[in-house]
Formats: sequence, structure tokens, C-alpha cells
Amino acid sequence: DTAVSQTPKYLVTQMGNDKSIKCEQNLGHDTMYWYKQDSKKFLKIMFSYNNKELIINETVPNRFSPKSPDKAHLNLHINSLELGDSAVYFCASSHAEYGQFFGPGTRLTVL
Amino acid sequence: EDQVTQSPEALRLQEGESSSLNCSYTVSGLRGLFWYRQDPGKGPEFLFTLYSAGEEKEKERLKATLTKKESFLHITAPKPEDSATYLCAVAVAYGQNFVFGPGTRLSVLP
Repeated sequence: DTAVSQTPKYLVTQMGNDKSIKCEQNLGHDTMYWYKQDSKKFLKIMFSYNNKELIINETVPNRFSPKSPDKAHLNLHINSLELGDSAVYFCASSHAEYGQFFGPGTRLTVL
Repeated sequence: EDQVTQSPEALRLQEGESSSLNCSYTVSGLRGLFWYRQDPGKGPEFLFTLYSAGEEKEKERLKATLTKKESFLHITAPKPEDSATYLCAVAVAYGQNFVFGPGTRLSVLP
């Protein structure tokens, strides 16, 4: 019954590795998002994806890339992980610009 | 630059003690203002959307209002289970969609 799900919940990895986080929503929403929440709990949008249109926050390094196999999924791939990438990553979905529904988050720790 | 600020940063209330949280915004074009609740270790939970000045929304002990420059989240007779971080966000007209404020950490003591 989970509306927005993410896997894995925790991810611990070494610097320089490549990793992926998966996100799925069963709400039938047309827009999906990735957010980063840093240690100060500030939520910052990374990407939004709607009908194959990708809007990228210009501050996001190109090591981060979203991939959407279909409307219900938006995965996040991260290449060459750095210490500063450690954070909690949230996936969210919405219909147009109505309120967003968030997943439970993935805590990424880069050692 | 689009900006959202929230005050206070933290608020401690006694159970039953009503109060308000503030969200101030400076954006190029407001499409909507959103309130969320976030519990520790969880994702934000959607509460309200407000679209135009003068609009009000209510849910249980919470009431959100919107003016041209700010929004208030009023909490009436709060209970300990209302303790959480309350986040405000705006949908902006151009560029990146959503800008979040830093949140207000609310603690309601029994």
C-alpha cells in the first residue's frame, strides 16, 4: 500500500564508487522528484521529471543522473561518490503542482 | 533569488498552549505554498496547499493562512503528538519548481 517507496533505506559505500537509489510511486502522479536533505535538515530539490521533461537544479553535479524507465519510477544514479554526497535522499511525486508525497528516504553514507 | 524563511527555528509549547508558525517568502512568481510535517527519520508528510492571498485551510488542530508575503500555521490546543518539524515550501513560476524553508521544530510537552 506504500504510496512512494525507495530502496535501499540505508546505503554505506566507499568514496569513488557508483551507486543507485530506486524510487517507485503507485499514486498515478505525473511528476516525480529527487531531493537532498543535508545534515542541517535543509531540503533541496535536485531534479523534477514530468512527461520526459527533466528540470535540473543547476547546483547539482553532473555525477548525479536521474533515470525514468516509466511514469511510476525515477531512479537516481550517482557516479564517483564523494564525502559531501553523504545525506538523506528523498524521492517524491505529485500531480502537477499539488502537494508532493515523499518516500521514506535513503540515508547515504560515503566513507 | 527565490527564498523561504521560517520562524521561529524551534518552539516549545505546553500541551493546550496555542501558537503560530511563520513562513515568509520572496519569490519571482508564486504558484502555490505548501506545508509539510516531518517526523524524525521519515519523509515529509503533506498537510496543505494554499494558492492565493486570503486563502485558509484547516485540518484537525492545524490551520494555514496565506498573505502576499507570508503564511502562518496556527496550532490550536496542541498535543504531544503534534511534535515534529513543520516545513513550508513554495512552487515558483520559473526554473526549479519547489523551494523549501529550513523548518520549525515544534515540541509539545505534556
